[in-house]
Amino acid sequence: EAQVTQNPRYLITVTGKKLTVTCSQNMNHEYMSWYRQDPGLGLRQIYYSMNVEVTDKGDVPEGYKVSRKEKRNFPLILESPSPNQTSLYFCASSYNGRSAGQYFGAGTRLSVL
Amino acid sequence: GQNIDQPTEMTATEGAIVQINCTYQTSGFNGLFWYQQHAGEAPTFLSYNVLDGLEEKGRFSSFLSRSKGYSYLLLKELQMKDSASYLCAVLEGGYNKLIFGAGTRLAVHP
Repeated sequence: EAQVTQNPRYLITVTGKKLTVTCSQNMNHEYMSWYRQDPGLGLRQIYYSMNVEVTDKGDVPEGYKVSRKEKRNFPLILESPSPNQTSLYFCASSYNGRSAGQYFGAGTRLSVL
Repeated sequence: GQNIDQPTEMTATEGAIVQINCTYQTSGFNGLFWYQQHAGEAPTFLSYNVLDGLEEKGRFSSFLSRSKGYSYLLLKELQMKDSASYLCAVLEGGYNKLIFGAGTRLAVHP
């Protein structure tokens, strides 16, 4: 079954404690992306990757890091989380990042206290 | 700057037709997407337009006018399960950045 898998689904942490949210896709997609969704603001792109070892900033990259060492995985790293990073995070992938629609993971709800 | 506008909320009756509008001003244009998102779930892809005109897919159609910076999603024969948020997103020209509007929450009533 074609899917994008994010882990964990829910996470409560404290300010400054490094965390990683994993994302994996099984569709051999070249393009992967991370978004955060906040009420009234909609989805905002954090980082995206066109292929292995190719990553670029989206609209709200501050405070986040990503890596793309393998095609299937695209982890999101928060080196020093802060309360303003409390949000719902989605990972997504698509065949080419252009005309192809993106498949989204189920989401990770993060609370930073 | 970049700006994508869509109505915050809409209501409609089961069996009716509803049109959800989206206007955009972005740094270049490489296509416009519509996604559906049910409460508590992930967005799912509905349509992609890059050329002017109407694309029809079953009960859903999407229209684009690049000169006007305007798109709409048309939902026909509304069903209760169509109650969801509908997200308009523009792929910026020259990059692969996807800019989303805040979404339109549609409530379908019997």
